[in-house]
Amino acid sequence: DTEVTQTPKHLVMGMTNKKSLKCEQHMGHRAMYWYKQKAKKPPELMFVYSYEKLSINESVPSRFSPECPNSSLLNLHLHALQPEDSALYLCASSQVLATDTQYFGPGTRLTVL
Amino acid sequence: AQTVTQSQPEMSVQEAETVTLSCTYDTSESDYYLFWYKQPPSRQMILVIRQEAYKQQNATENRFSVNFQKAAKSFSLKISDSQLGDAAMYFCAYRSGEDSNYQLIWGAGTKLIIKP
Repeated sequence: DTEVTQTPKHLVMGMTNKKSLKCEQHMGHRAMYWYKQKAKKPPELMFVYSYEKLSINESVPSRFSPECPNSSLLNLHLHALQPEDSALYLCASSQVLATDTQYFGPGTRLTVL
Repeated sequence: AQTVTQSQPEMSVQEAETVTLSCTYDTSESDYYLFWYKQPPSRQMILVIRQEAYKQQNATENRFSVNFQKAAKSFSLKISDSQLGDAAMYFCAYRSGEDSNYQLIWGAGTKLIIKP
């Protein structure tokens, strides 16, 4: 059973909508990650938080805005998305940034109309 | 730069048989970690097995085992007694042992089909 949860499981939104994806981990990890995954492709790293501070932004467009309210929660705010942003969005966590193993949540399937 | 190659886009195996998925990687580092992740149609990316490069012993997890050949830079996954629930995309991934290099380098994935 996963200890990283993500909500919602599915999300359909229009290009003018504002929505948020949520991720929560219950393992006491201090590093959290957002990935984007297209069908039949490996995940692509978007953002990394370490001790609630944004460590890495992999040149992601500003229509994606991450937030880490506390050590257990990670949000991804979405605004003015494009149809090509439709994908599976995965959250992951690890003990700390330097730790080898990342554990993933079940993902949110996002469709942008 | 490190790279990970999975040369088999798709593999199929009869239920209860054994299958081996291949993974090769390229690196100049001596300290690193290797992983196999499984992603079934349910989408959950599940850690199957991990291997520390400094360990000579091959990692095993129940029916899953790896053949880690450091000199050959090969990291294959063997699944014994295949079950229908093993059907999934399998991704091989590499992580540097350097603390500052947190990125996972992924292979393209292998789709495993289990025939009943």
